[in-house]
Amino acid sequence: QVHLVQSGAEVTKPGASVKVSCKASGYTFNEYYIHWVRQAPGQGPEWMGWINPKSGGTNYAHKFQDRVTMTRDTGISTAYLELSRLRFDDTAVYYCAREMELTTFGGDLLYDWFDPWGQGTLVTVSP
Amino acid sequence: DIQMTQSPSSLSASVGDRVTITCRSSQSIGEYLSWFHLKPGKPPKLLIYGASTLQSEVPSRFRGGGSGTEFTLTITNLQPEDFATYYCQQTNNTPYTFGQGTKLEI
Repeated sequence: QVHLVQSGAEVTKPGASVKVSCKASGYTFNEYYIHWVRQAPGQGPEWMGWINPKSGGTNYAHKFQDRVTMTRDTGISTAYLELSRLRFDDTAVYYCAREMELTTFGGDLLYDWFDPWGQGTLVTVSP
Repeated sequence: DIQMTQSPSSLSASVGDRVTITCRSSQSIGEYLSWFHLKPGKPPKLLIYGASTLQSEVPSRFRGGGSGTEFTLTITNLQPEDFATYYCQQTNNTPYTFGQGTKLEI
């Protein structure tokens, strides 16, 4: 069975950094992109970016480009999200999710979707 | 960025009812639209992808429709476990964006 298991809750201070892990099991880690999404209290989800576990290539949302780093360790099938220069409004639940794709025989993308999701990691930025 | 607008933001219903949630995108996204729900303390659960394809093991009382800029999620014969917050998500272009959510309450 496919699972994404994230690291535990973090409490940290403004200006600090936080690193969240996402360990994959039940499938070949290198074959599917991992996305990171966060949800702040009372807000809708917000996409932060993806990492290609095979190549290490990344694509970050413009909003986070100067503060976010996504990495992976293929040996332990784990992806990481690091967010630096934390602010109070970075308090949120952070999720990782695997991207699935359905393509034609010719390789054209038909659909893509996120499944499964990790259980979420609450990051609290507090003075 | 593509804006996703969901309506209504909240909805009261009873077990056995049928409800419909609408999601509109600010530009055409084809069928690159997913629906999922979120319950407190649990990870998001995918219900529908490709606008209308039911994820495996999701009950057939969930139905997705639409293409282009207007999409719907219809739930028939509501069950107690369906009371949650529902979100649409577009994966046509990065940044992938989400609706603000529809809270389905008893």
